[in-house]
Amino acid sequence: QSALTQPASVSGSPGQSITISCTGTSSDVGGYNYVSWYQQHPGKAPKLMIYDVNNRPSGVSNRFSGSKSGNTASLTISGLQAEDEADYYCSSYTSSSTWVFGGGTKLTVL
Amino acid sequence: EVQLVQSGAEVKKPGESLKISCMGSGYNFTNYWIAWVRQMPGKGLECMGIIYPGDSDTRYSPSFQGQVTISADKSISTAYLQWSSLKASDTAMYYCARAYSDAFDVWGQGTMVTVSS
Repeated sequence: QSALTQPASVSGSPGQSITISCTGTSSDVGGYNYVSWYQQHPGKAPKLMIYDVNNRPSGVSNRFSGSKSGNTASLTISGLQAEDEADYYCSSYTSSSTWVFGGGTKLTVL
Repeated sequence: EVQLVQSGAEVKKPGESLKISCMGSGYNFTNYWIAWVRQMPGKGLECMGIIYPGDSDTRYSPSFQGQVTISADKSISTAYLQWSSLKASDTAMYYCARAYSDAFDVWGQGTMVTVSS
């Protein structure tokens, strides 16, 4: 199974909104509503931000939202803040009964 | 508090064996899948495989099948990742993570494995 495809980098100014895409296949993203998103700051473990396409765990800001259309999922962060600068990874359950991650996107807050 | 605590950093030589651990606490360890995730230096996350501690049902991602062994001892709420013969390319940070609702909601702090002659 190949990694899901994400843009290498995105950027935005404080207060703006950005969207990160995550493209897979019908065997992963397109086949299941089990897409999740993770935030990773340098030197830290990943943190779950979105699960099951568009659900936020308790404690995660409502500035983070997710969606999916066909084989592509998206993470949108609204009202960008300096603390949002991090790497973001999507993940999907797969037809092999395991999970696959995206290559990661580095978010820079200008 | 729900947490996963991993064993400490390791420095090994090529060809050596290694077993690292991940101990869960604050929840019923037997009822949730545990995944092992690799992150090579400066690279992204890769799911190596998952195990259900309740019955040790284990699934490997194709790239890691035959390369590592995942196991668990539910009596001590601990999952393991082991290598029989390490290679330099195994140098990476390894995370364990709890699977909940088909996502990974709790992560260990990571175990850095360095393989160098």
